[in-house]
Formats: sequence, C-alpha cells, structure tokens
Amino acid sequence: DSGVTQTPKHLITATGQRVTLRCSPRSGDLSVYWYQQSLDQGLQFLIQYYNGEERAKGNILERFSAQQFPDLHSELNLSSLELGDSALYFCASSVGQGDGDTQYFGPGTRLTVL
Amino acid sequence: GEDVEQSLFLSVREGDSSVINCTYTDSSSTYLYWYKQEPGAGLQLLTYIFSNMDMKQDQRLTVLLNKKDKHLSLRIADTQTGDSAIYFCAEGGGYNTDKLIFGTGTRLQVFP
Repeated sequence: DSGVTQTPKHLITATGQRVTLRCSPRSGDLSVYWYQQSLDQGLQFLIQYYNGEERAKGNILERFSAQQFPDLHSELNLSSLELGDSALYFCASSVGQGDGDTQYFGPGTRLTVL
Repeated sequence: GEDVEQSLFLSVREGDSSVINCTYTDSSSTYLYWYKQEPGAGLQLLTYIFSNMDMKQDQRLTVLLNKKDKHLSLRIADTQTGDSAIYFCAEGGGYNTDKLIFGTGTRLQVFP
C-alpha cells in the first residue's frame, strides 16, 4: 500500500458525459501528479500540482482539468468524454516540487467510456 | 525531445537472470526509475538511480546506467514466477518538477 488513495476504482460512463476522479496523497506529500495509461499512448504525464498550484503540464487535453484543494487532495475532471478517453488514470504524490523526490502511485481509476 | 524506449517482451526460465533494457533521450534527467506493474494493479516503485551513478544494487535487483549511451538496464537475479509483470523505466527529476516520462513497458514472463 503506497498511501495514495484514488476513488472510484472503476467508472463506466457514456460519450459526452463528465466525470471527476479523486486522489488523496500520502500524508505529508505536497505534490500530486496525474497520469493516463492507455493501450495506444502508454503511460503519459498529464499534470502536476504543488501545494495547490499548477506546477507542470504534460499532454493534457483542453477537455480535462484538475485542481488541488487546501487539504491537498486533488480532482481530475474529464468532460465531453470520447471513446478514446477510456484508460487507467493514476495519481501519484511526492514530498516536494522537484529534484528527484520519489513518486508513489495510487491504485488507479479505470475509466470506460461507452 | 523526451522519449524512453524499451523492448516489449522478455521471457525467462525460473531461476535465471532477467535483464530489461531501456534507452532514454533527456540527458537533463536527474533520476532514472524502475516501476513494476502487476496485472490489474498500480505502479510499484522498485528502485531508482541518480544520474551520476553507474550502478546500484538492491537485493536481487541491479541497475546499470550508461550515461554516455543513455542506456539503463535492470537485472533481476534468480527470477521467480512472482516477478512476472510489466516493468517500466522512467526518467524524471528535472528542474522544478518531478514529472516522469515513462517507457513503453517490458512484459516479463517467467516460466517454470
């Protein structure tokens, strides 16, 4: 158990819908990262938040957004869902904002868009 | 650009050593990591190496880094059936962010 929790574990929805994925980092970690794992794109970095502020951005679609709240939990919002958004979404957390802090991953949320 | 490549499959006999290879392109990465993903599970950090090191050993795991060739390898000694999984190398630790760039993953199959 990494100490990072993600809910829900599974999510099934229809095209055009909007969903919210939730992540709670390890106690004491200030950074939260979101990754997408799909069959065609592999594991891709989406976005990082550090202590409530966006720190780094990767291949995140404009239909997707995230935020980190004062209690440091984070939510990833996916809207206007398409079939190709079906993937495993991982959250990871680390202590700081750079220089090689180890990231610990949650169990993931499997999103299926029908 | 950032690109990390791995071979897709590796099959070994139980008790033999496994060597999983990875090449990366971003020479500014501070750390290089190996993660393990078992079926239906999340990512488990196995080990990591700082970019100014050549080798790191951790029990059955040995990581070798050739910075000149941008080549990273993970050797698993005495491979067991429980080692069957997908292994990802990742580079990270750049300035101001620890975002990870992952390889394609190598599926390791261990047969008796």
